[in-house]
Amino acid sequence: DAGVIQSPRHEVTEMGQEVTLRCKPISGHDYLFWYRQTMMRGLELLIYFNNNVPIDDSGMPEDRFSAKMPNASFSTLKIQPSEPRDSAVYFCASSWTSGRSNEQFFGPGTRLTVL
Amino acid sequence: GNSVTQMEGPVTLSEEAFLTINCTYTATGYPSLFWYVQYPGEGLQLLLKATKADDKGSNKGFEATYRKETTSFHLEKGSVQVSDSAVYFCALSVLRRALTFGSGTRLQVQP
Repeated sequence: DAGVIQSPRHEVTEMGQEVTLRCKPISGHDYLFWYRQTMMRGLELLIYFNNNVPIDDSGMPEDRFSAKMPNASFSTLKIQPSEPRDSAVYFCASSWTSGRSNEQFFGPGTRLTVL
Repeated sequence: GNSVTQMEGPVTLSEEAFLTINCTYTATGYPSLFWYVQYPGEGLQLLLKATKADDKGSNKGFEATYRKETTSFHLEKGSVQVSDSAVYFCALSVLRRALTFGSGTRLQVQP
């Protein structure tokens, strides 16, 4: 299996522009998570889906952020308009319903820089 | 709510030294516990896990034991290598399935 795939790996944009991050989870996984990593706040959950349905979006910073999962093999995280404080590494992770371990598999991340 | 506290870094050791990174947690419910490792420029990789009290997770010479009485999950390795230099994250997950992470501990191993 190719693992969790994220694109792009790096994104540099200007303040006010729309940014779309993409994620392909591991085939057969029914949970998908979006996390953000910054120096100030560490790793924090933004949103997660189960069977393509958003379950918890309490970590989404504000209305500028939105996430979708139109099917089991694809999810997007969109920021519109982007701001310099959105600069971070965004990770996608997936897991499957299996016992209690809740092990998650992470993608390589998208490093976003907003100028 | 759920939270994870781990020791501040960086931790600097010489090769073949003994490693301990402390991790304590607070959780509502019965969590699963994890250690993830992040190498420079990469995503997070699961290092080891434990799902119930007294379980010992182990991988690549690293070990951690789930201690419910002290709410701890300390990471240990008997002899570190330069290649172990990375950031280590302690994390927990309860029914909501999302991971709650500690702040991370950077390990630097010198030859």
